[in-house]
Amino acid sequence: SAVISQKPSRDICQRGTSLTIQCQVDSQVTMMFWYRQQPGQSLTLIATANQGSEATYESGFVIDKFPISRPNLTFSTLTVSNMSPEDSSIYLCSGLAGLGYENIQYFGAGTRLSVL
Amino acid sequence: AQSVAQPEDQVNVAEGNPLTVKCTYSVSGNPYLFWYVQYPNRGLQFLLKYITGDNLVKGSYGFEAEFNKSQTSFHLKKPSALVSDSALYFCAVRDMGAGKSTFGDGTTLTVKP
Repeated sequence: SAVISQKPSRDICQRGTSLTIQCQVDSQVTMMFWYRQQPGQSLTLIATANQGSEATYESGFVIDKFPISRPNLTFSTLTVSNMSPEDSSIYLCSGLAGLGYENIQYFGAGTRLSVL
Repeated sequence: AQSVAQPEDQVNVAEGNPLTVKCTYSVSGNPYLFWYVQYPNRGLQFLLKYITGDNLVKGSYGFEAEFNKSQTSFHLKKPSALVSDSALYFCAVRDMGAGKSTFGDGTTLTVKP
């Protein structure tokens, strides 16, 4: 299993500023992901965080807006840059732990971001 | 492209009654299907998965799911609902090659005493 810790758990930010969200896993995971979720709604994949290389972004998300780092197998950061109220959302970190078909996706508790 | 559909936004059941949360899927190859639960202000928690084998899969907290290939469904079930089961439930299908999962829109389960 894996326990995923995110911080901050919530933040209120001003328009035009940036926020970096940290994600720490207590064990090695093969893959790490960042999602966005509106309360009570489904998850939208932002990107796959790749260790030591550039993240792989989904359609509609770009590196300049959501730079991601993953320096090792247990840590990743997501930065929300030049924020606007439309960026207000819950940001979830996730990791795949286990081997092959037995791997399971674990999630952090999320970061609730409000942009004023 | 893979997809999942959860046709019900909300399911209401009385405590002690059986519950079913529905999910249908669309994939081009073998389906790898998952159920997750999300409690308020929490991340998603894994409940169970279907990779291969028995069509009835048992998971955490007394939940089970029935895989039906002909109906392309993977419905979540529990014989006797608890008030504490009230939460948001997500069905997901995973692309085992890319490792990415596609999630349904979620179903809010409310169990009333």
